[in-house]
Amino acid sequence: ILNVEQSPQSLHVQEGDSTNFTCSFPSSNFYALHWYRWETAKSPEALFVMTLNGDEKKKGRISATLNTKEGYSYLYIKGSQPEDSATYLCAFSGGNNRLAFGKGNQVVVIP
Amino acid sequence: SQTIHQWPATLVQPVGSPLSLECTVEGTSNPNLYWYRQAAGRGLQLLFYSVGIGQISSEVPQNLSASRPQDRQFILSSKKLLLSDSGFYLCAWILAGISSYNEQFFGPGTRLTVL
Repeated sequence: ILNVEQSPQSLHVQEGDSTNFTCSFPSSNFYALHWYRWETAKSPEALFVMTLNGDEKKKGRISATLNTKEGYSYLYIKGSQPEDSATYLCAFSGGNNRLAFGKGNQVVVIP
Repeated sequence: SQTIHQWPATLVQPVGSPLSLECTVEGTSNPNLYWYRQAAGRGLQLLFYSVGIGQISSEVPQNLSASRPQDRQFILSSKKLLLSDSGFYLCAWILAGISSYNEQFFGPGTRLTVL
């Protein structure tokens, strides 16, 4: 069973503040690391697919970095807005058509 | 474009009753299909996946079963529900060999409450 850990499990952020959270994953047999954004009552939506050590991806105010050698990825939200409230899931792929998900980082942005 | 459907959206069932959740994918052929469950306080757990009609792999022993009677149809079943089967069930698909590094696409989910 692959161990994918996300921390903190939940966080409250004041509107306008920036925040970040961590996903740690096995450093062996790495194929890809996925970040999904999951809003209540909706389907998880893909944010980033990260494949190379040192990758940095950005979409609007959200960005992510990847360190495959030490097995972690950071997700950053700059200038948080209420619409950023969601659960952010990371998922590890070892290349066998399956994803191992973390428990998610639940973000609540307080207006 | 591809779309994935799940139904029902919500379900409340008594303990010991049967279960059937359905997932269908449109706009693609020969997808890999997946059933996940998120129980309260836990992450997304892979229950079953299928690479073709009649081919089912089970990830964890449990009270549930899955079937794939058609290429784009994936069904999750139980003969007798347990309280521990409560959770949010998600179906997902990828087009093997073409999807971007196994990126999966999710359906809208089914909220199952077993009382």
